[in-house]
Amino acid sequence: DAGVTQSPTHLIKTRGQQVTLRCSPKSGHDTVSWYQQALGQGPQFIFQYYEEEERQRGNFPDRFSGHQFPNYSSELNVNALLLGDSALYLCASSWEGSFTYEQYFGPGTRLTVT
Amino acid sequence: SQQGEEDPQALSIQEGENATMNCSYKTSINNLQWYRQNSGRGLVHLILIRSNEREKHSGRLRVTLDTSKKSSSLLITASRAADTASYFCATTTDSWGKLQFGAGTQVVVTP
Repeated sequence: DAGVTQSPTHLIKTRGQQVTLRCSPKSGHDTVSWYQQALGQGPQFIFQYYEEEERQRGNFPDRFSGHQFPNYSSELNVNALLLGDSALYLCASSWEGSFTYEQYFGPGTRLTVT
Repeated sequence: SQQGEEDPQALSIQEGENATMNCSYKTSINNLQWYRQNSGRGLVHLILIRSNEREKHSGRLRVTLDTSKKSSSLLITASRAADTASYFCATTTDSWGKLQFGAGTQVVVTP
């Protein structure tokens, strides 16, 4: 049973560029959340997708957008990259029907903006 | 801003010793979870304690929750070198499971 997978593992982009990160949830999971983790800090919630809709959003600008596909996989897009966007981006999946709130995290995508 | 704050920020112990770390949070919660992160990679779920529970055990882990003090503690007994990692507490305050993390405690266990 595959866990949460993310691609790519590492990415280097230049300021002003756009980036797309991808996430496949754990089998049986239907909810995907994205988190940003700056070096030395805890993860910060970006947004959560359920039934292909953004259900809730953290304190992130509109440059951060996402999408969930019918197979529950998800993408995180960041436009007009800033140096401060350099971070580890984590995807987490869960099952709406579990009511346990336990989330399964992927290995993350490390984004470096130069 | 972060909901939780862990204390201490860093902890260095020897194998076989116990490691205790604390987490304080600001608002009422549905539950509190502890996660482990190795070398800046993905987080691994360790244990969840609901707001109406006071103590939970899982293997060498013991978690307590004091909602009156808005605090939790994680105890790792008989630590091993493989326990070297960063440990984060995360709270859930809504019905959709959004996690709010603290800054973490970095634990180093030396053989």
